[in-house]
Amino acid sequence: NAGVMQNPRHLVRRRGQEARLRCSPMKGHSHVYWYRQLPEEGLKFMVYLQKENIIDESGMPKERFSAEFPKEGPSILRIQQVVRGDSAAYFCASSPSREQGYTFGSGTRLTVV
Amino acid sequence: GQQLNQSPQSMFIQEGEDVSMNCTSSSIFNTWLWYKQDPGEGPVLLIALYKAGELTSNGRLTAQFGITRKDSFLNISASIPSDVGIYFCAGRTPYQTGANNLFFGTGTRLTVIP
Repeated sequence: NAGVMQNPRHLVRRRGQEARLRCSPMKGHSHVYWYRQLPEEGLKFMVYLQKENIIDESGMPKERFSAEFPKEGPSILRIQQVVRGDSAAYFCASSPSREQGYTFGSGTRLTVV
Repeated sequence: GQQLNQSPQSMFIQEGEDVSMNCTSSSIFNTWLWYKQDPGEGPVLLIALYKAGELTSNGRLTAQFGITRKDSFLNISASIPSDVGIYFCAGRTPYQTGANNLFFGTGTRLTVIP
């Protein structure tokens, strides 16, 4: 029973390129959450999705960032035209319902050069 | 979003010592969760608390849900080197339609000196 799978683990992008981060939730989990963590800082909520729907995107920047969780396949966090300030660890978590504890993936570390 | 005040920010302790950290909020929560994050990894759930006053243990870890529902603490007894990491509290507010309702503290960075 695999946990939350995130890939890639490390991603290097040049300024202006696009970054696509993937998250496959645990089997049976239909709720997905994305968080960003800057070095030496805590977890900042970005977006909450439930199959095919965005429930809450209040933590996501309005420009360049988008997220989806299609009926089939992983959840994708897309960052267009990346800038140096986007460098961070991005964590995905999933849960079977919104009232239960979240299981986190190992994260994708994005470095923008 | 909700503000969770977690303290201390960091701790340096000798192996074998006990550790205590806590989280407070200005709002009432109906769930408290404690996570540990090892370097380069995602947070792992340690303890979940669902009722005010609840005291739950997981090995050398003990956590309590404050009776005011606005705070929680985590104790680690007889610390060992592998306890090193960042500990996060997380609190869940009562159900809000169409909104994220789980909020994380800023973390306590624990260093254990052998």
